[in-house]
Amino acid sequence: EVQLVESGGGLVQPGGSLRLSCAASGFTVSSNYMSWVRQAPGKGLEWVSVIYSGGSTYYADSVKGRFTISRDNSKNTLYLQMNSLRAEDTAVYYCARESSGSYENNWFDPWGQGTLVTVSS
Amino acid sequence: SSELTQDPAVSVALGQTVRITCQGDSLRSYYASWYQQKPGQAPVLVIYGKNNRPSGIPDRFSGSSSGNTASLTITGAQAEDEADYYCNSRDSSGNHLRVFGGGTKLTVL
Repeated sequence: EVQLVESGGGLVQPGGSLRLSCAASGFTVSSNYMSWVRQAPGKGLEWVSVIYSGGSTYYADSVKGRFTISRDNSKNTLYLQMNSLRAEDTAVYYCARESSGSYENNWFDPWGQGTLVTVSS
Repeated sequence: SSELTQDPAVSVALGQTVRITCQGDSLRSYYASWYQQKPGQAPVLVIYGKNNRPSGIPDRFSGSSSGNTASLTITGAQAEDEADYYCNSRDSSGNHLRVFGGGTKLTVL
């Protein structure tokens, strides 16, 4: 069964750091595009970052320079290192496998269950 | 970066047909994918590409696109279709980013 399980969320003070993990089963993380998507309380989905199978990484402007996406191939796990956290980073963070049938096509499936990050003093 | 615009809320009578739209410049170049999210749950993919449904998604869900607008149509809406729906596509700026619409809350009356 293809599955993603996030962990690492919690309460952190503004300016602090947190590392989220996303353990995959049923497929190989390094052979796929993998993304992080977040959802602030009561708000919509916001794409955060992607890592390509070749290792290239890209970030939303809102997190560029503060967040780092990475993966551990031996553990088949995706990570999101979050530094200099702000109150507006408070959200449920989802990891998702991204597929692409062609350059004009992309979709996220499956998604993990999400992990809540709360940035507050 | 690109933006995708959705109506915040749409309602449909039980058994009737409803169309949820998503507008944005990126949709002139890229297909939209659509996600259903129920309260307290992770999003679920319902439509991707030109008009493809993942395994397990009922055939009452369909997708289409014209110009800068993508549409998700539910033909014969059921009570269990009440949820938030989000569209997504690649950003058209060529910067490898992705973008989600603001979401549409569907109420089945």
